[in-house]
Amino acid sequence: SSELTQDPAVSVALGQTVRITCQGDSLRTYYASWYQQKPGQAPVLVIYGKNNRPSGIPDRFSGSSSGNTASLTITGAQAEDEADYHCNSRDRSGNPVVFGGGTKLTVL
Amino acid sequence: EVQLVESGGGLVKPGGSLRLSCSASKFSFSDYSMNWVRQTPGKGLEWVSSISSSSSYIYYADSVKGRFTISRDNAKNSLYLQMSSLRAEDTAVFYCARGYCNDGTCFFDYWGQGTLVTVSS
Repeated sequence: SSELTQDPAVSVALGQTVRITCQGDSLRTYYASWYQQKPGQAPVLVIYGKNNRPSGIPDRFSGSSSGNTASLTITGAQAEDEADYHCNSRDRSGNPVVFGGGTKLTVL
Repeated sequence: EVQLVESGGGLVKPGGSLRLSCSASKFSFSDYSMNWVRQTPGKGLEWVSSISSSSSYIYYADSVKGRFTISRDNAKNSLYLQMSSLRAEDTAVFYCARGYCNDGTCFFDYWGQGTLVTVSS
């Protein structure tokens, strides 16, 4: 089955911009979705589709895609953005839905 | 606000069975596909199974096919996951999640708090 690859850890200085990436063949065909997960909590959807934010998600979160890579960008990272970020997409081979391994974001 | 509440997790021996439940409220349950997603402690998320709104379409991850059965009762606003032949590697927090998929994307917009399944002798 296809896989989605994420960097295990990324750090960003407070107020700076950070890009978290997700790579996989399925992203050439399907949009990625992104989830924020804080310790001990359930994931929260932050980006879906081409670049859509659910109600209540700050506009500093945005999504983009190019080739086999999807990106989640946080413009002006805040302390409360420190969390794990997971991507997922549809898949045509193997399982119909696939997740990345997650990226731990540290805000310095 | 949409609410999803899982129950039924616990400690089970390898080879044993367990049934998870997810009680949904504050949305029209029968209009949405539903999913189970699991997370091994300290690791990433893994999609487990999906069921369409009317139970017409059901999908499983290769890792659980033949061992897990997803079902739903729209009259009771409830989602279920019957797990059998459990293995140590099934140990995880199991989340119930409301899903939406179309030709271009598939995402999960609401999640429960999860229920922990531990498979150990």
